[in-house]
Amino acid sequence: DAGITQSPRHKVTETGTPVTLRCHQTENHRYMYWYRQDPGHGLRLIHYSYGVKDTDKGEVSDGYSVSRSKTEDFLLTLESATSSQTSVYFCATGDMNTEAFFGQGTRLTVV
Amino acid sequence: AQTVTQSQPEMSVQEAETVTLSCTYDTSESDYYLFWYKQPPSRQMILVIRQEAYKQQNATENRFSVNFQKAAKSFSLKISDSQLGDAAMYFCAYRRGGGAQKLVFGQGTRLTINP
Repeated sequence: DAGITQSPRHKVTETGTPVTLRCHQTENHRYMYWYRQDPGHGLRLIHYSYGVKDTDKGEVSDGYSVSRSKTEDFLLTLESATSSQTSVYFCATGDMNTEAFFGQGTRLTVV
Repeated sequence: AQTVTQSQPEMSVQEAETVTLSCTYDTSESDYYLFWYKQPPSRQMILVIRQEAYKQQNATENRFSVNFQKAAKSFSLKISDSQLGDAAMYFCAYRRGGGAQKLVFGQGTRLTINP
């Protein structure tokens, strides 16, 4: 299995607080992605990265920012968490000719 | 924009029987891939099967097979000899060929296996 680690696995936070989720990979994959999973919507792409310091927006990027300072780490930040950002967040990695490999997910609850 | 639709929120099947999960998609691209992912209660996303659009032959992986109808933009998953361990949420997904694997997912189908 691809070495993709998400931290934390669970988090409860208050509305208005900043939150950072971390994705760490040991596969040296070029591409990294953040998705959110909500009932009735499947998984939707938030942001993705195609290299160190190279990122782009996905389908549901409002309220989120990302950073990738090293190949192995991709951070997702909620600058000011809202209840609508309560979700399960998945990190994924891959290269051009590989499938996407997913982390275990982070359950975030904003109260 | 590409879209993926799974019209069956829930399905159930008797153990050892066959079940088919439906998926339709919309794209104007000619180079693309289609996938079925399984998500058990552990939440892990597991790739079940993939299909390259340029291949006419339907993909098969053991008890899992697809019916890929390119003209109709349909991509159904057939599970034969259903087992209790097949119970999960199943997601159909699409991505364009080349470059980043930005996946577009369907809404998911929850499959229950009745013993």
